[in-house]
Amino acid sequence: GAVVSQHPSWVICKSGTSVKIECRSLDFQATTMFWYRQFPKQSLMLMATSNEGSKATYEQGVEKDKFLINHASLTLSTLTVTSAHPEDSSFYICSASPKPGRTTEAFFGQGTRLTVV
Amino acid sequence: AQSVTQLGSHVSVSEGALVLLRCNYSSSVPPYLFWYVQYPNQGLQLLLKYTSAATLVKGINGFEAEFKKSETSFHLTKPSAHMSDAAEYFCAVRDSSASKIIFGSGTRLSIRP
Repeated sequence: GAVVSQHPSWVICKSGTSVKIECRSLDFQATTMFWYRQFPKQSLMLMATSNEGSKATYEQGVEKDKFLINHASLTLSTLTVTSAHPEDSSFYICSASPKPGRTTEAFFGQGTRLTVV
Repeated sequence: AQSVTQLGSHVSVSEGALVLLRCNYSSSVPPYLFWYVQYPNQGLQLLLKYTSAATLVKGINGFEAEFKKSETSFHLTKPSAHMSDAAEYFCAVRDSSASKIIFGSGTRLSIRP
């Protein structure tokens, strides 16, 4: 199956700093990537959808100035949590979809545990 | 807008017993449906998917699910539970191969020895 690599797998940062999380599709071109957030013992909540070369579409209630998403190439999307606060601590998961019509699946990264202290 | 509802946030069965995890969907178009499993602090692993071919879908680890349009359901079953099946299970829906995937609230499966 297709592989999506997410880095780092965990990160601890100080309050007020910014953190960048990378999501790479290793063996396919991802026309669309999705970013999810998961609180403990809860489901995955979609934060935003990004298409290569265009601005991300954010879900209602997600601050686009706080969660910056860049999808500069067909194999890389990044999520930057700006001016992080303890309430931003969470598990962030990305997923990538190949070109429409190739498969109905989206492939998931292994997740990033962010802790803001 | 599409959505999925998982009935039962926690299901506990004995080892060797039948596993049944319930999922109902809502979609304005024929949906693509998925079941994923998540182990603690890990990403998601696809168990199986429905893509409008056969209504009975077989997945990995002995799991299967049946798409029932009349009931708008896609319940996950396994005839005999193993201890290693203990995990969180998510049902998910998308209405095209390019659209976002929406997840249900999840069901935690516990296996009693």
